[in-house]
Amino acid sequence: GAGVSQTPSNKVTEKGKYVELRCDPISGHTALYWYRQSLGQGPEFLIYFQGTGAADDSGLPNDRFFAVRPEGSVSTLKIQRTERGDSAVYLCASSLSPSGTDTQYFGPGTRLTVL
Amino acid sequence: AQKVTQAQTEISVVEKEDVTLDCVYETRDTTYYLFWYKQPPSGELVFLIRRNSFDEQNEISGRYSWNFQKSTSSFNFTITASQVVDSAVYFCALSGGYTGTASKLTFGTGTRLQVTL
Repeated sequence: GAGVSQTPSNKVTEKGKYVELRCDPISGHTALYWYRQSLGQGPEFLIYFQGTGAADDSGLPNDRFFAVRPEGSVSTLKIQRTERGDSAVYLCASSLSPSGTDTQYFGPGTRLTVL
Repeated sequence: AQKVTQAQTEISVVEKEDVTLDCVYETRDTTYYLFWYKQPPSGELVFLIRRNSFDEQNEISGRYSWNFQKSTSSFNFTITASQVVDSAVYFCALSGGYTGTASKLTFGTGTRLQVTL
């Protein structure tokens, strides 16, 4: 079946602008995760959803970052007043449940560049 | 807090050599899960294996094998007879087994493997 998909694959924006990154999880997966990967680093956890609710947003760096999953499927990561330091690859993953017994499968990522 | 250390930043081998990628982890959870992911130049993270903390049996899958040792908090990954297609960045990751920790993967910084002819 189809894997996790993310759009756009690349996003270039100017400092101060607002951006939205979209994630479409594997069908039937109730848990959805966002990670951020800076150059030369491993992915870092941002937030995860169980169904429609954000169950853990402890990884969001500040209040410019927000994510929603209104119908329990597609999720959107929103970044306000972007800064150059926000440039990174934003990865989305999904799993059957948030239990550690279920593997997280990753999408191809969105490369965000803030000029 | 959970931590994963991959001390090898980059490894270069010639095709057909065996190579071992090291992973050392720290956690206070008694139940936890360990993972290896591969990130080829295309960028997508590909799941390779998951182990739980109660199962220390080593695993072999084709040319890949994994050695899990709780006594040394290590989960090392060996590729036998490496091939050029194995060139990628490999990440070790850890998640907890309890609510609140189970859902976050903590990744190491990755090991870049370069296999040449």
